[in-house]
Amino acid sequence: SQQGEEDPQALSIQEGENATMNCSYKTSINNLQWYRQNSGRGLVHLILIRSNEREKHSGRLRVTLDTSKKSSSLLITASRAADTASYFCATDEYGNKLVFGAGTILRVKS
Amino acid sequence: NAGVTQTPKFRVLKTGQSMTLLCAQDMNHEYMYWYRQDPGMGLRLIHYSVGEGTTAKGEVPDGYNVSRLKKQNFLLGLESAAPSQTSVYFCASSYTLSSYEQYFGPGTRLTVT
Repeated sequence: SQQGEEDPQALSIQEGENATMNCSYKTSINNLQWYRQNSGRGLVHLILIRSNEREKHSGRLRVTLDTSKKSSSLLITASRAADTASYFCATDEYGNKLVFGAGTILRVKS
Repeated sequence: NAGVTQTPKFRVLKTGQSMTLLCAQDMNHEYMYWYRQDPGMGLRLIHYSVGEGTTAKGEVPDGYNVSRLKKQNFLLGLESAAPSQTSVYFCASSYTLSSYEQYFGPGTRLTVT
């Protein structure tokens, strides 16, 4: 399989806590993207980080990229019940098409 | 501006039947994609298109055909459905192949009995 790996597979936290999910990939990349999928819906783009960037912020989201370890992390601060969703990373490591990881299921309890 | 739309939303087929899934986008994107999503496996690329009249194979193309006769539409066909094709199918579009975000449709849930 070409898919990258994400961990944890599932994460359950209380509202207000921070959520961190990780993504690893296998070869070199030009960029890495994170997407969110609410239950029964399509994916929605959250953030894109390029290989020459180490950190990027968007609202309550913080993404880091460590190309030496071939890994990225997504941090959601001060989580809300509405953040309950599946989160996927996607890379262009196999040419110019996106390859998605298996995802992390986040549940935020209110 | 509807973004990416997919029809139908749900479908049940018997083994051996055929069907076509329709994807339409109104963002003037050159690139369009069909993915399937199975539990615990994320999204896998079936076929994609880099422009009107072009198609290319993705990671799991067997059993599917596609056509892109018009820039805004991308059709996915199953000629002879098999239970292994039970899945949720997503269409997406983008400005480029990987450097920009992809916009996804709401999905089609297909069950093959």
